[in-house]
Amino acid sequence: DAGVIQSPRHEVTEMGQEVTLRCKPISGHDYLFWYRQTMMRGLELLIYFNNNVPIDDSGMPEDRFSAKMPNASFSTLKIQPSEPRDSAVYFCASSSSPRGQDGYTFGSGTRLTVV
Amino acid sequence: GQSLEQPSEVTAVEGAIVQINCTYQTSGFYGLSWYQQHDGGAPTFLSYNALDGLEETGRFSSFLSRSDSYGYLLLQELQMKDSASYFCAVSHSGSARQLTFGSGTQLTVLP
Repeated sequence: DAGVIQSPRHEVTEMGQEVTLRCKPISGHDYLFWYRQTMMRGLELLIYFNNNVPIDDSGMPEDRFSAKMPNASFSTLKIQPSEPRDSAVYFCASSSSPRGQDGYTFGSGTRLTVV
Repeated sequence: GQSLEQPSEVTAVEGAIVQINCTYQTSGFYGLSWYQQHDGGAPTFLSYNALDGLEETGRFSSFLSRSDSYGYLLLQELQMKDSASYFCAVSHSGSARQLTFGSGTQLTVLP
């Protein structure tokens, strides 16, 4: 398996624009997670899915953020409109174990810069 | 809620042994995980402890004491490539299918 695949690797956009981040989890992993990493706040969970269903989105900062998982092999995280404070590295991760006992596999991340 | 504490920085020399501690506060604790992250890279899974004791995987070992809400990651025979950030993370009954991460420990290995 190629691992968790995220695109794009880097994204630079202007404030107010819509940004869409994409993720392909590892085949067979039933859990998909979106994390955001910043120096100030560390690794924060934004939302996670189990069998394509959103389970907990309490970490989503505000209504500008939305996430979907239309099928087992694809998920998107959308920010509309984007703001400079959204600048961060966004990671997607997948797992087959409910408690992380087999580990989460993270994608390479998308480095988002909003100017 | 959950909270984790780990040192922000640790420095050691090549070939040495280093221990990175993690204390946590959470209800409904399930397990403690460790992840490694190199600069510009993704976190990668190192270990998971659900029971008290020491788990060894090559040069890396992880320890857990549930009664003390404490764990550590032990790195032996340090190599330059071990320079990275190390995160502890807890899984707990409040959100069993997600991890809450600590703020990370930056390990610098000197020649």
